[in-house]
Amino acid sequence: GESVGLHLPTLSVQEGDNSIINCAYSNSASDYFIWYKQESGKGPQFIIDIRSNMDKRQGQRVTVLLNKTVKHLSLQIAATQPGDSAVYFCAENTPPGGGNKLTFGTGTQLKVEL
Amino acid sequence: NAGVTQTPKFRILKIGQSMTLQCAQDMNHEYMSWYRQDPGMGLKLIYYSVGAGITDKGEVPNGYNVSRSTTEDFPLRLLSAAPSQTSVYFCASSPFRDTRGPEKLFFGSGTQLSVL
Repeated sequence: GESVGLHLPTLSVQEGDNSIINCAYSNSASDYFIWYKQESGKGPQFIIDIRSNMDKRQGQRVTVLLNKTVKHLSLQIAATQPGDSAVYFCAENTPPGGGNKLTFGTGTQLKVEL
Repeated sequence: NAGVTQTPKFRILKIGQSMTLQCAQDMNHEYMSWYRQDPGMGLKLIYYSVGAGITDKGEVPNGYNVSRSTTEDFPLRLLSAAPSQTSVYFCASSPFRDTRGPEKLFFGSGTQLSVL
């Protein structure tokens, strides 16, 4: 079946720099996308989401970009901090879905260097 | 609000044993689901429910069973534990309004299960 995938398994950035985490999805029918942050030993925490009728959405220090033409999703973190170190997952919902079923990618480890 | 509460946090089972992982949410969410996460991997959907009395299979349902008798609780039962079921299990919930479309899931802190 189709799945969500990530380009980079590990991303290292300097504190204060901007981070960009990429995600490729293969199902053009997906209508909802979401980013989660997972710290070691914890459950996924919601970061930001975007529906397919939008190209960009901004939150506090985070921006999600959706390019439906090339089926690409990215998460931008501004002024990366040590507390941002975690694994980041993208996920998609594909109708008919049946509720809020999400298909997750394999994750990207973000390491923030001091 | 406590959010999504999972118990136990850790458990070791012997092959063939059965057990129930508990999940409760106090946000009055209609939708609840169970995922498993193998080491270094993403989450895979086991079962989900869009409301009390309604359950459906996800991507990896074999070896599991669920029930949803109340809005608040969504237990996951392992029928006969196998080493392949060693994983971290996450319960999640969200509002569900069919006309609105999908919404973000709220996750519990997980149950780490080892089958030896």
